[in-house]
Amino acid sequence: DIQMTQSPSTLSASVGDRVSITCRASQSISSWLAWYQQKPGKAPKLLIHKASSLESGVPSRFSGSGSGTEFTLTISSLQPDDFATYYCQQYNSYWTFGQGTKVEIK
Amino acid sequence: QVQLVESGGGVVQPGRSLRLSCAASGFTFNTYALHWVRQAPGKGLEWVAVISYDGINKYYADSVKGRFTISRDNSKNTLYLQMTSLRPEDTAVYYCARAHGGGYLSALDVWGKGTTVIVSS
Repeated sequence: DIQMTQSPSTLSASVGDRVSITCRASQSISSWLAWYQQKPGKAPKLLIHKASSLESGVPSRFSGSGSGTEFTLTISSLQPDDFATYYCQQYNSYWTFGQGTKVEIK
Repeated sequence: QVQLVESGGGVVQPGRSLRLSCAASGFTFNTYALHWVRQAPGKGLEWVAVISYDGINKYYADSVKGRFTISRDNSKNTLYLQMTSLRPEDTAVYYCARAHGGGYLSALDVWGKGTTVIVSS
């Protein structure tokens, strides 16, 4: 089974900050990685698929990079609506989510 | 409007069964693979099961294999999850989600709002 490890688990930041979240796979998953945003009590929302492809309608301040085993989600300028929990997910072999990164207000 | 709406959740005793449904609208249902994903209270997301567009291929997480069955009725635009031998650790919000682009090895681009299952005596 492929394990996904996100870091950090919690990130404290201010509006306007540039923030990055890392996701590491236990084995190579090529570019078969997605990023989701989830707010309390709501369903997850797809942000990025295939490691770096921005989903339609998602603001361009979100970007994804990486391949193989190491991936990054970057928010170029954090907005009030971006405080949420973010999950990575691999779909190279079955489907596995990372444990999540909570982005909170500093 | 593309939409997925789950139903069927509730409180059930350990060892009993429950069937969840997910009604789809706004897209060509029989061309997309569909997933179930769950989230225990205060925890992260856990993939549960997937079914191909035609219902032929099905895959399950080890944690539910042999107890849960995913199925679909393309004539009714509805996805199902039959859950048997329920355990307290199955307590979660259950989401149905659509496979991006249709194929099952893909991201999940449309999600329902979820239905809550509580397994407790």
